[in-house]
Amino acid sequence: EPEVTQTPSHQVTQMGQEVILRCVPISNHLYFYWYRQILGQKVEFLVSFYNNEISEKSEIFDDQFSVERPDGSNFTLKIRSTKLEDSAMYFCASSPQGVHEQYFGPGTRLTVT
Amino acid sequence: RKEVEQDPGPFNVPEGATVAFNCTYSNSASQSFFWYRQDCRKEPKLLMSVYSSGNEDGRFTAQLNRASQYISLLIRDSKLSDSATYLCVVNVNSGYSTLTFGKGTMLLVSP
Repeated sequence: EPEVTQTPSHQVTQMGQEVILRCVPISNHLYFYWYRQILGQKVEFLVSFYNNEISEKSEIFDDQFSVERPDGSNFTLKIRSTKLEDSAMYFCASSPQGVHEQYFGPGTRLTVT
Repeated sequence: RKEVEQDPGPFNVPEGATVAFNCTYSNSASQSFFWYRQDCRKEPKLLMSVYSSGNEDGRFTAQLNRASQYISLLIRDSKLSDSATYLCVVNVNSGYSTLTFGKGTMLLVSP
């Protein structure tokens, strides 16, 4: 069964550093998403991406965040200058065209020290 | 009012029990509804979509009441492996839009 994959599984970084989280969505999916989950809290939407552009973003997704699809398979989330409060699990998800079910990757645990 | 609200947990039930989870959503324009399950420190996994007519998948039955903005999930004959957090998830707009998650209800099934 096709799966969304994410790397790394755990990233530790110092405050102020840039991080790039990587995702490989399911191959025939066209819609891509990033969500985050702070420990003990609910899953929160960050951004959706379709046809090589952002289609929606939340208020969490400020100028420190960016997304990119650098090639035909990868989908990345960059945080330019990490803050302590960016510590969370970051999930990538994808969905096929016209279908609302989203399939999540295993997540990257980001720890900012 | 919170966008997606679920029963507080945890629910502790013995194996074989029937358990029901409830969820309400605030936006009457919501289009699509789902139940996901999440194991500790893992990703949400799609359990089932919820349709207006109600739908069943083995031991799991989901119901939707649009008038009351209410969604439910019934699990029959609980197994130990059902222990997880159950997430009520709503998609407000049609198309490719965001999923709004409830905080989840934890289920603990004991032998």
